[in-house]
Amino acid sequence: DTAVSQTPKYLVTQMGNDKSIKCEQNLGHDTMYWYKQDSKKFLKIMFSYNNKELIINETVPNRFSPKSPDKAHLNLHINSLELGDSAVYFCASSQSLENTGELFFGEGSRLTVL
Amino acid sequence: QKEVEQNSGPLSVPEGAIASLNCTYSDRGSQSFFWYRQYSGKSPELIMFIYSNGDKEDGRFTAQLNKASQYVSLLIRDSQPSDSATYLCAVVKSGGSYIPTFGRGTSLIVHP
Repeated sequence: DTAVSQTPKYLVTQMGNDKSIKCEQNLGHDTMYWYKQDSKKFLKIMFSYNNKELIINETVPNRFSPKSPDKAHLNLHINSLELGDSAVYFCASSQSLENTGELFFGEGSRLTVL
Repeated sequence: QKEVEQNSGPLSVPEGAIASLNCTYSDRGSQSFFWYRQYSGKSPELIMFIYSNGDKEDGRFTAQLNKASQYVSLLIRDSQPSDSATYLCAVVKSGGSYIPTFGRGTSLIVHP
């Protein structure tokens, strides 16, 4: 059973399109995250949710809209895709806000914008 | 100054040697420190964490923390080709959101 699963694993799309990535964790964790990893491997926090509530929004363009229907799910919708959005997007979870460094990552969703 | 700095490498060591991976951080009040391993095309995986000054050992891995020098390292003893990966250092700062800041990672190559 995969602990943190995200779909799809690959997205290839044209500039200007809209896309969504879904994430689910079965660890019973309270806190979930979206990270973006660029081509130089830099892993940068985008959003964090704790028990469905948004707690971190790190200067991400408002074309990115996360949504957490319950504490086991965190989805990411991206409007009007741009070339610079091409990256690997990782969903992650931690037990709580007290364990933010102990992250369990999903397999990643590689987004390519043409 | 970057918040968390790592030499991007690659660091190349022969099989059986000790690999030493280093990380420095800028926030003197940082509280906790983590090492993640990321194989090519895969997701990061937590391998060690350390909160107090000194050494912490887990199997072939030793994390070392020196808060006065704002320095954390990861030693891998008896390196194996399967240890070849990128190693990411992550630091949780004092105050604020407690979200870890990652370094850019050091690529380690262990050659037979």
